[in-house]
Amino acid sequence: AQTVTQSQPEMSVQEAETVTLSCTYDTSESNYYLFWYKQPPSRQMILVIRQEAYKQQNATENRFSVNFQKAAKSFSLKISDSQLGDTAMYFCAFMKLDSGYALNFGKGTSLLVTP
Amino acid sequence: GAVVSQHPSWVICKSGTSVKIECRSLDFQATTMFWYRQFPKQSLMLMATSNEGSKATYEQGVEKDKFLINHASLTLSTLTVTSAHPEDSSFYICSADYSVFGTEAFFGQGTRLTVV
Repeated sequence: AQTVTQSQPEMSVQEAETVTLSCTYDTSESNYYLFWYKQPPSRQMILVIRQEAYKQQNATENRFSVNFQKAAKSFSLKISDSQLGDTAMYFCAFMKLDSGYALNFGKGTSLLVTP
Repeated sequence: GAVVSQHPSWVICKSGTSVKIECRSLDFQATTMFWYRQFPKQSLMLMATSNEGSKATYEQGVEKDKFLINHASLTLSTLTVTSAHPEDSSFYICSADYSVFGTEAFFGQGTRLTVV
């Protein structure tokens, strides 16, 4: 079974600053996907960024980027130029390729962006 | 993008009654949908995988007879919480896969169930 660990229950960052959320995972699979999802107060799950395990290049989406270290089984999310709208719960998630689209989530990190 | 709609967004029911939650893929067909449960300030836990035209696959520890899942069409999956009790109060979220946009699960907006 896969486990996803987010060791930072809460984090805070000032507007315009950079923050990094950590995530580690444990798996014996060689092919998989990793995701970061954002859950704002509305509770709608929003995909932030996706990383295919077979790709060495780290994924980037505008202000969001990841540091994917496959050997270390680490998948951190960096948010640059933080905005107030980034305030949300952030979940790291793992998906096996043969599981359809079932996701295994970490416990989440509550991020607060302050003015 | 692909849109998944859940209904209702919130529901209050009396203990002992049953409540049905619908999950619809509005602009695509989903052969597989997933149901998650989220307790307050906690993560999403996969409850079951719903496959169109076949029985759902439940995760270990999830009561099949309490959480009935039906995936009768390619755009609709339903979760029925039978004989609900206060401990069933939770936030339930569905997702559907749509490979056209790459490997991504699309989530409904969730249903907050309160059993009184």
